[in-house]
Amino acid sequence: SAVISQKPSRDICQRGTSLTIQCQVDSQVTMMFWYRQQPGQSLTLIATANQGSEATYESGFVIDKFPISRPNLTFSTLTVSNMSPEDSSIYLCSVELGRGSEAFFGQGTRLTVV
Amino acid sequence: KQEVTQIPAALSVPEGENLVLNCSFTDSAIYNLQWFRQDPGKGLTSLLLIQSSQREQTSGRLNASLDKSSGRSTLYIAASQPGDSATYLCAVPYSGTYKYIFGTGTRLKVLA
Repeated sequence: SAVISQKPSRDICQRGTSLTIQCQVDSQVTMMFWYRQQPGQSLTLIATANQGSEATYESGFVIDKFPISRPNLTFSTLTVSNMSPEDSSIYLCSVELGRGSEAFFGQGTRLTVV
Repeated sequence: KQEVTQIPAALSVPEGENLVLNCSFTDSAIYNLQWFRQDPGKGLTSLLLIQSSQREQTSGRLNASLDKSSGRSTLYIAASQPGDSATYLCAVPYSGTYKYIFGTGTRLKVLA
């Protein structure tokens, strides 16, 4: 299994500013992902955080808006840049220990942009 | 393109009832399916993982079944309790990848 610590757990931010969310895993993992959950919606994958290379973004998400770092196999950050109220969501970090294995999630970061 | 649907969207039942939550997916070429629980404003807790070679998995009062050929999975909750109140999500991987597509969720409320 994997235990994921995500920080901050919540934040209220002014529009136009940026917020960096941290994800720390208690073991080395290959696959790490960032998801967004907009109010009343299910989860949507933002990107795959690749260690040592640029993140792989899903359709509709771009690096300028959601830059991601993955400096090692236990840590990643997601930045939400130039925020607007539409960015108000829960952002979740997830890891998988291998193909076909269970996915584990952090407790999420609840972001409100005012 | 994989699409995942959950029925019903919301469910309210008295305590003690047995429940069935449904999950449908359009592409049967999956290697697993996972059920999660989400409490309001919180992250996801994994409940059950079913590999494509399995028909069902059990954990306590929870039982999940998988029928790949028909593109369906069910989550059975026995003797429901108020503490079971949460949103239940199913997820399957994108074809050939590690990435998950999530269903729309079922909001469950168990009344004391």
